Amino acid sequence: EADIYQTPRYLVIGTGKKITLECSQTMGHDKMYWYQQDPGMELHLIHYSYGVNSTEKGDLSSESTVSRIRTEHFPLTLESARPSHTSQYLCASSEYYAPASGNYGYTFGSGTRLTVV
Amino acid sequence: GENVEQHPSTLSVQEGDSAVIKCTYSDSASNYFPWYKQELGKRPQLIIDIRSNVGEKKDQRIAVTLNKTAKHFSLHITETQPEDSAVYFCAGMEYGNKLVFGAGTILRVKS
Repeated sequence: EADIYQTPRYLVIGTGKKITLECSQTMGHDKMYWYQQDPGMELHLIHYSYGVNSTEKGDLSSESTVSRIRTEHFPLTLESARPSHTSQYLCASSEYYAPASGNYGYTFGSGTRLTVV
Repeated sequence: GENVEQHPSTLSVQEGDSAVIKCTYSDSASNYFPWYKQELGKRPQLIIDIRSNVGEKKDQRIAVTLNKTAKHFSLHITETQPEDSAVYFCAGMEYGNKLVFGAGTILRVKS
């Protein structure tokens, strides 16, 4: 079944470690996004991509980086994790919006809950 | 860019009652407004959406209304059930097809 997958689901790491959060989708979507969800629920866009070799920073400043070498893969990397990075990270994908008809919605992954100690 | 405000932040209703969540948006050019439901420990999922060329859309117990003049849209859930308890997010679409989410509403249905 076409879906979007994130690994790991939970991660506890020490300060200063480099980590990569994986996100892959089999939806065939060109657009992909990374959101940070804080305990207060809000979804903050930190990175997005419109296709291969396209990456942009989102509204929330983040020390993470992303890459988009393949359509289906959009990993997020933290070079040096800090306790302030503790959060839930959600990956999503979508098609391009078609005004006339059809479904347009983000499909979210199950998230990675990151704890930096 | 688009700014979406959502109210209330928390809503408690008795099972069987109706629940209404309201959102306002700032960009008059926005033309797509989805609603997402996120159950505890799960991913947000699209439950209903509306495009600017219609004023109302229904799907069983849920409905969304849109007032383009006033730039607000609302989610209506009738005959609420305990499984409706979740966090609900509204969103508007800004230039570049990016969704801008509201801050979320925690809905609690008391049985």
